[in-house]
This record gives sequence, C-alpha cells and structure tokens, in this order.
Amino acid sequence: RKEVEQDPGPFNVPEGATVAFNCTYSNSASQSFFWYRQDCRKEPKLLMSVYSSGNEDGRFTAQLNRASQYISLLIRDSKLSDSATYLCVVNVTSYDKVIFGPGTSLSVIP
Amino acid sequence: GAVVSQHPSWVICKSGTSVKIECRSLDFQATTMFWYRQFPKQSLMLMATSNEGSKATYEQGVEKDKFLINHASLTLSTLTVTSAHPEDSSFYICTGGQETQYFGPGTRLLVL
Repeated sequence: RKEVEQDPGPFNVPEGATVAFNCTYSNSASQSFFWYRQDCRKEPKLLMSVYSSGNEDGRFTAQLNRASQYISLLIRDSKLSDSATYLCVVNVTSYDKVIFGPGTSLSVIP
Repeated sequence: GAVVSQHPSWVICKSGTSVKIECRSLDFQATTMFWYRQFPKQSLMLMATSNEGSKATYEQGVEKDKFLINHASLTLSTLTVTSAHPEDSSFYICTGGQETQYFGPGTRLLVL
C-alpha cells in the first residue's frame, strides 16, 4: 500500500461546480498535512495547510480526520484557473520525511 | 513564504556527461532538503533526503553513486547526475523548509 493515496482522477467539472478531493495516508505517526497545487510544467505551490479543526480559505476548505487517516479538499464555485493537479502532502516528522500523494488532476471547463 | 531557488532551470547535455543542480534556501536555514524527480504526467518521486553536514539518505532504487548529493552549508544542497543517460531526462525539484515545504522552481534535464 502506498503511504499516501489520492483519488485517481482526472476530474472534469464545469465552471461553478463544487469538487472534492480525497486523500488517505498510512502512517499514523504523520503530524502535518498540506494541499499543494501543481500547474503543468511548474513546481508545486502550497495551497493550504490542513488542521484537525478544519480550515477554510475563500472557496477552499480542508479537513482532516486523524482517526480515519483521511484528508479532504473541497473547492466551491470552481474557476477555470483552478485547473491544476492537486497534491496531498503528509509530513512524518518522526522520520523527517515529506511524502507526496500521486496527485489528482482537475480540469474546469467553461 | 520561504524562497528556494534552483539553478540551472534548463539543462541539455550529451549522454555520458555529468550535470550539477544547485538548490538554495534564500531566507531560511535548511538542515534538511529533499530532492524529487518527476517524469511527464507522473507524480513527484522522492529521490533522497539531503542532510547538512552528513550523508544523504537515498530512497530505495535510487543509486547513490549516480546521484551525488552534497549539503555543505545550511543554504545550499547540490545534486550531481553523473554520467547522465537519456533515461535520466526528467524534472528535478528540491524542497526545503521547516514544517511547510517550499519548492524550488525545478530543473528540466534533457540528455541527448
């Protein structure tokens, strides 16, 4: 089993749609969680950190369920500019290692 | 956020040559940096963990003698692809940071 798994995608959604990405991780010692986005042929950029209490940044909402070892990202009112690959990232502090999920591709269609 | 730079951004070289990629943390000290490789339409794959002042830790399947990592200071890690071959052509990215990882802009390597 991979350490971090994500929805395989791709997701093709119309503008204005709400889309949810799911991510699971296998190492219960994982301590920090993030969502990154990667545009085509560019480096990944931090989208938001994920906290146990859940957090929201504009149209983006991230949630963490430690018991289920599950992370989610919800994008509301999708924009064309949201088209990218979304990467779930887990930091296993005890191993000093950062693990990236395989990513889920999103295409927002006019 | 923190800034990580990489140099060069593009490299085209002949098969058999060695290529050095530099990764610098510009506004923070990085005792640990990570090197990733990404082939087209594939996910980021961790190659190795670069540790300041000590040997790098390589992931399974990554040849340490082929991908030489040096982390001599708190702001610079280098990855040298020795005797590069066409199958080494890829997008190489480094990251550094404390809890949050910040990416360098990446280096595209094309080996002819």
